[in-house]
Amino acid sequence: DAGVIQSPRHEVTEMGQEVTLRCKPISGHNSLFWYRQTMMRGLELLIYFNNNVPIDDSGMPEDRFSAKMPNASFSTLKIQPSEPRDSAVYFCASERGGGQPQHFGDGTRLSIL
Amino acid sequence: GEDVEQSLFLSVREGDSSVINCTYTDSSSTYLYWYKQEPGAGLQLLTYIFSNMDMKQDQRLTVLLNKKDKHLSLRIADTQTGDSAIYFCAEGPSGGSYIPTFGRGTSLIVHP
Repeated sequence: DAGVIQSPRHEVTEMGQEVTLRCKPISGHNSLFWYRQTMMRGLELLIYFNNNVPIDDSGMPEDRFSAKMPNASFSTLKIQPSEPRDSAVYFCASERGGGQPQHFGDGTRLSIL
Repeated sequence: GEDVEQSLFLSVREGDSSVINCTYTDSSSTYLYWYKQEPGAGLQLLTYIFSNMDMKQDQRLTVLLNKKDKHLSLRIADTQTGDSAIYFCAEGPSGGSYIPTFGRGTSLIVHP
Protein backbone atom coordinates (compact mmCIF):
# COMPACT_ATOMS: atom_id res chain seq x y z
CA ASP A 1 0.00 0.00 0.00
CA ALA A 2 1.78 3.10 -1.26
CA GLY A 3 -0.52 5.52 0.50
CA VAL A 4 -1.95 8.72 -0.95
CA ILE A 5 0.64 10.39 -3.16
CA GLN A 6 0.67 14.13 -3.73
CA SER A 7 2.85 16.23 -5.97
CA PRO A 8 4.61 18.54 -5.85
CA ARG A 9 5.58 18.60 -2.16
CA HIS A 10 6.46 22.25 -2.37
CA GLU A 11 5.47 24.94 -4.85
CA VAL A 12 6.58 28.56 -4.89
CA THR A 13 5.24 30.78 -7.60
CA GLU A 14 4.33 34.37 -8.31
CA MET A 15 0.81 35.66 -8.05
CA GLY A 16 -1.18 35.42 -11.21
CA GLN A 17 0.38 32.13 -12.23
CA GLU A 18 -1.59 28.93 -12.66
CA VAL A 19 -0.95 26.26 -10.04
CA THR A 20 -1.84 22.58 -10.44
CA LEU A 21 -1.71 20.18 -7.52
CA ARG A 22 -1.90 16.44 -8.12
CA CYS A 23 -3.12 13.49 -6.12
CA LYS A 24 -3.07 9.74 -6.54
CA PRO A 25 -5.46 8.07 -4.07
CA ILE A 26 -5.05 4.62 -2.61
CA SER A 27 -6.15 1.95 -5.04
CA GLY A 28 -9.65 0.72 -4.26
CA HIS A 29 -10.70 3.84 -2.39
CA ASN A 30 -13.95 5.29 -3.70
CA SER A 31 -13.88 8.72 -2.10
CA LEU A 32 -11.38 11.54 -2.47
CA PHE A 33 -11.16 14.79 -0.54
CA TRP A 34 -9.17 17.99 -1.05
CA TYR A 35 -8.40 20.05 2.07
CA ARG A 36 -6.58 23.30 2.76
CA GLN A 37 -4.77 23.91 6.04
CA THR A 38 -3.77 27.32 7.40
CA MET A 39 -2.96 28.63 10.84
CA MET A 40 -5.91 30.98 10.74
CA ARG A 41 -8.63 28.62 9.57
CA GLY A 42 -7.30 25.17 10.41
CA LEU A 43 -8.31 22.32 8.12
CA GLU A 44 -10.94 23.26 5.55
CA LEU A 45 -12.66 20.83 3.18
CA LEU A 46 -12.57 22.18 -0.36
CA ILE A 47 -14.22 19.42 -2.39
CA TYR A 48 -15.29 15.79 -2.09
CA PHE A 49 -15.52 13.20 -4.90
CA ASN A 50 -17.27 9.86 -4.75
CA ASN A 51 -16.63 7.39 -7.57
CA ASN A 52 -14.91 10.21 -9.51
CA VAL A 53 -17.97 12.47 -9.32
CA PRO A 54 -17.84 15.77 -7.40
CA ILE A 55 -20.44 15.51 -4.63
CA ASP A 56 -19.80 18.60 -2.54
CA ASP A 57 -17.75 21.57 -3.72
CA SER A 58 -19.25 24.11 -1.35
CA GLY A 59 -15.86 24.64 0.25
CA MET A 60 -14.15 25.79 -2.93
CA PRO A 61 -13.29 29.42 -2.17
CA GLU A 62 -14.12 30.97 -5.52
CA ASP A 63 -14.11 30.45 -9.26
CA ARG A 64 -10.33 30.61 -9.36
CA PHE A 65 -10.32 27.11 -7.86
CA SER A 66 -11.29 24.03 -9.83
CA ALA A 67 -10.86 20.30 -9.25
CA LYS A 68 -11.15 17.29 -11.48
CA MET A 69 -11.03 13.55 -11.12
CA PRO A 70 -10.78 12.08 -14.62
CA ASN A 71 -10.35 8.53 -13.31
CA ALA A 72 -10.21 6.58 -10.07
CA SER A 73 -6.45 6.96 -9.70
CA PHE A 74 -5.89 10.66 -10.29
CA SER A 75 -7.19 14.05 -9.24
CA THR A 76 -6.05 17.62 -9.73
CA LEU A 77 -6.72 20.88 -7.93
CA LYS A 78 -6.06 23.95 -10.02
CA ILE A 79 -5.81 27.59 -9.00
CA GLN A 80 -5.90 30.16 -11.78
CA PRO A 81 -4.92 32.91 -11.27
CA SER A 82 -3.20 32.34 -7.93
CA GLU A 83 -3.09 34.99 -5.18
CA PRO A 84 -0.91 35.35 -2.05
CA ARG A 85 -3.87 34.47 0.18
CA ASP A 86 -3.96 31.03 -1.44
CA SER A 87 -0.70 30.20 0.36
CA ALA A 88 -1.39 27.14 2.52
CA VAL A 89 -0.78 23.43 2.77
CA TYR A 90 -3.14 21.48 0.52
CA PHE A 91 -3.97 17.91 1.44
CA CYS A 92 -5.57 15.14 -0.51
CA ALA A 93 -7.21 12.25 1.35
CA SER A 94 -8.96 9.09 0.22
CA GLU A 95 -11.18 6.51 1.87
CA ARG A 96 -13.00 3.32 0.96
CA GLY A 97 -16.33 5.06 1.43
CA GLY A 98 -19.15 4.76 3.90
CA GLY A 99 -17.37 6.79 6.53
CA GLN A 100 -14.27 4.61 6.74
CA PRO A 101 -11.23 6.50 8.08
CA GLN A 102 -9.51 8.83 5.67
CA HIS A 103 -5.92 8.38 4.60
CA PHE A 104 -4.03 11.61 3.98
CA GLY A 105 -1.16 12.43 1.68
CA ASP A 106 1.80 14.42 2.95
CA GLY A 107 0.44 17.59 1.38
CA THR A 108 1.65 20.30 -0.97
CA ARG A 109 3.04 23.40 0.68
CA LEU A 110 2.07 26.26 -1.61
CA SER A 111 3.57 29.72 -1.40
CA ILE A 112 2.29 32.48 -3.67
CA LEU A 113 4.57 35.50 -3.73
CA GLY B 1 -24.27 22.38 11.69
CA GLU B 2 -21.72 20.02 13.12
CA ASP B 3 -18.97 21.42 15.29
CA VAL B 4 -15.96 19.81 16.92
CA GLU B 5 -14.10 21.68 19.66
CA GLN B 6 -10.64 21.06 21.10
CA SER B 7 -8.27 23.05 23.22
CA LEU B 8 -5.36 24.38 21.18
CA PHE B 9 -2.39 23.45 23.35
CA LEU B 10 -1.32 20.88 25.92
CA SER B 11 2.08 20.70 27.58
CA VAL B 12 3.21 17.63 29.55
CA ARG B 13 6.38 16.25 31.01
CA GLU B 14 7.98 13.19 29.45
CA GLY B 15 6.75 10.02 31.17
CA ASP B 16 3.48 11.56 32.34
CA SER B 17 0.08 10.77 30.86
CA SER B 18 -1.50 13.16 28.36
CA VAL B 19 -5.24 13.62 28.03
CA ILE B 20 -6.58 15.44 25.00
CA ASN B 21 -10.24 16.33 25.10
CA CYS B 22 -12.80 16.94 22.38
CA THR B 23 -16.48 17.84 22.30
CA TYR B 24 -18.76 17.39 19.34
CA THR B 25 -22.33 18.32 18.53
CA ASP B 26 -23.69 15.69 16.15
CA SER B 27 -25.11 12.86 18.26
CA SER B 28 -25.81 10.75 15.16
CA SER B 29 -22.13 10.38 14.21
CA THR B 30 -21.21 6.78 13.57
CA TYR B 31 -17.47 7.03 14.17
CA LEU B 32 -15.18 9.29 16.16
CA TYR B 33 -11.56 9.50 15.11
CA TRP B 34 -8.21 10.67 16.41
CA TYR B 35 -5.55 11.71 13.93
CA LYS B 36 -1.94 12.75 14.57
CA GLN B 37 -0.06 15.29 12.45
CA GLU B 38 3.70 15.56 12.72
CA PRO B 39 5.56 18.56 11.26
CA GLY B 40 5.64 18.54 7.47
CA ALA B 41 3.35 15.54 7.20
CA GLY B 42 -0.29 14.78 6.62
CA LEU B 43 -2.79 13.59 9.18
CA GLN B 44 -2.26 10.00 10.23
CA LEU B 45 -5.11 7.97 11.69
CA LEU B 46 -4.26 6.97 15.24
CA THR B 47 -7.42 5.23 16.30
CA TYR B 48 -11.18 5.40 16.02
CA ILE B 49 -14.16 4.29 18.03
CA PHE B 50 -17.66 3.30 17.03
CA SER B 51 -20.35 5.44 18.58
CA ASN B 52 -21.84 2.43 20.41
CA MET B 53 -18.61 1.88 22.37
CA ASP B 54 -17.51 3.58 25.59
CA MET B 55 -13.84 2.78 25.50
CA LYS B 56 -11.12 1.50 23.24
CA GLN B 57 -7.56 0.68 24.25
CA ASP B 58 -4.62 0.24 21.92
CA GLN B 59 -1.22 -0.08 23.60
CA ARG B 60 -0.46 3.34 25.12
CA LEU B 61 -3.64 4.89 23.74
CA THR B 62 -7.01 4.89 25.49
CA VAL B 63 -10.08 6.47 23.93
CA LEU B 64 -13.07 7.27 26.12
CA LEU B 65 -16.44 8.24 24.70
CA ASN B 66 -19.25 9.82 26.70
CA LYS B 67 -22.18 9.97 24.30
CA LYS B 68 -24.46 11.70 26.77
CA ASP B 69 -22.07 14.65 27.08
CA LYS B 70 -20.77 14.31 23.49
CA HIS B 71 -17.26 14.18 24.88
CA LEU B 72 -14.32 12.24 23.50
CA SER B 73 -10.87 11.94 25.03
CA LEU B 74 -7.54 10.48 24.05
CA ARG B 75 -5.17 9.39 26.79
CA ILE B 76 -1.54 8.71 25.96
CA ALA B 77 0.25 6.80 28.69
CA ASP B 78 3.98 7.32 29.33
CA THR B 79 4.16 10.24 26.92
CA GLN B 80 7.38 10.45 24.94
CA THR B 81 9.00 13.34 23.06
CA GLY B 82 8.08 11.54 19.85
CA ASP B 83 4.43 12.04 20.75
CA SER B 84 4.81 15.79 20.24
CA ALA B 85 2.47 16.62 17.38
CA ILE B 86 -0.95 18.07 16.61
CA TYR B 87 -3.85 15.77 17.46
CA PHE B 88 -7.14 16.13 15.60
CA CYS B 89 -10.50 14.88 16.73
CA ALA B 90 -13.07 14.16 14.00
CA GLU B 91 -16.62 12.87 13.81
CA GLY B 92 -18.65 11.27 11.04
CA PRO B 93 -20.51 10.15 9.06
CA SER B 94 -24.05 11.09 9.95
CA GLY B 95 -27.34 12.07 8.43
CA GLY B 96 -26.44 10.69 5.03
CA SER B 97 -23.31 12.82 4.81
CA TYR B 98 -20.02 10.98 4.51
CA ILE B 99 -17.97 14.09 5.11
CA PRO B 100 -16.23 14.02 8.50
CA THR B 101 -15.93 17.15 10.63
CA PHE B 102 -12.50 17.90 12.06
CA GLY B 103 -11.58 19.93 15.11
CA ARG B 104 -8.87 22.63 14.97
CA GLY B 105 -6.32 20.29 16.52
CA THR B 106 -4.48 20.23 19.87
CA SER B 107 -0.74 20.85 19.84
CA LEU B 108 0.87 18.45 22.31
CA ILE B 109 4.26 19.58 23.56
CA VAL B 110 6.28 17.04 25.52
CA HIS B 111 9.21 18.41 27.48
CA PRO B 112 11.94 16.52 29.34
